[in-house]
Amino acid sequence: EVQLVESGGGVVQPGRSLRLSCAASGFNFDEYAMHWVRQAPGKGLEWVSGVSWNSGSIGYADSVKGRFAISRDNAKNSLYLQMNSLTAEDTALYYCAKDIRRASGPTLFDYWGQGTLITVSS
Amino acid sequence: SYVLTQPPSVSVAPGKTARITCGGNNIGGKSVHWYQKKPGQAPVLVISYNSDRPSGIPERFSGTNSGTTATLTISRVEGGDEADYYCQVWDSSSDHTVFGGGTKLTVL
Repeated sequence: EVQLVESGGGVVQPGRSLRLSCAASGFNFDEYAMHWVRQAPGKGLEWVSGVSWNSGSIGYADSVKGRFAISRDNAKNSLYLQMNSLTAEDTALYYCAKDIRRASGPTLFDYWGQGTLITVSS
Repeated sequence: SYVLTQPPSVSVAPGKTARITCGGNNIGGKSVHWYQKKPGQAPVLVISYNSDRPSGIPERFSGTNSGTTATLTISRVEGGDEADYYCQVWDSSSDHTVFGGGTKLTVL
């Protein structure tokens, strides 16, 4: 059974940093691209970032480019999102999502985690 | 950047057919995927590549895509279908994943 378990969420002050983790199991993690997708309170889904199976290709939404960094450790079956210079607009539930392909695009998400909540507030 | 437009809400009586649209410039030339999102739950893929149903998704769910509109159709709607539905495409011009704004399906 595929499982994606996010962690690292919490309350953080504006301008500070936070690192999210996603622990994957139930599939060959090193064969698939992985992504972060967020949902702000009362808003829709927004793709944040994606990384190919071997970290050779990485993409970011314009809203986070230059502030967030995605990475993965295939030996640990883990995906990460380093979030810097956080603002109130980054407040959201952050989901880890598995792609059906190795490449980071085109995208199709077949499994999602339950999400971890980030609240940016002073 | 590529924009996908969905109606904010659709209402339907149980047993009837719900149609949720997703508009975009020449969306018929792209592959559209649909996700169901219930409160407190992770999104679930219900239609991939415009009209394919993943394993475990009822036959009541179907999709089409042509011209400037993709449509998710839910036949014989049940109370359990009440959820937010999102369309999604890959925008090759920007190498970005794009989601529609979401449609809240209410079962009357």
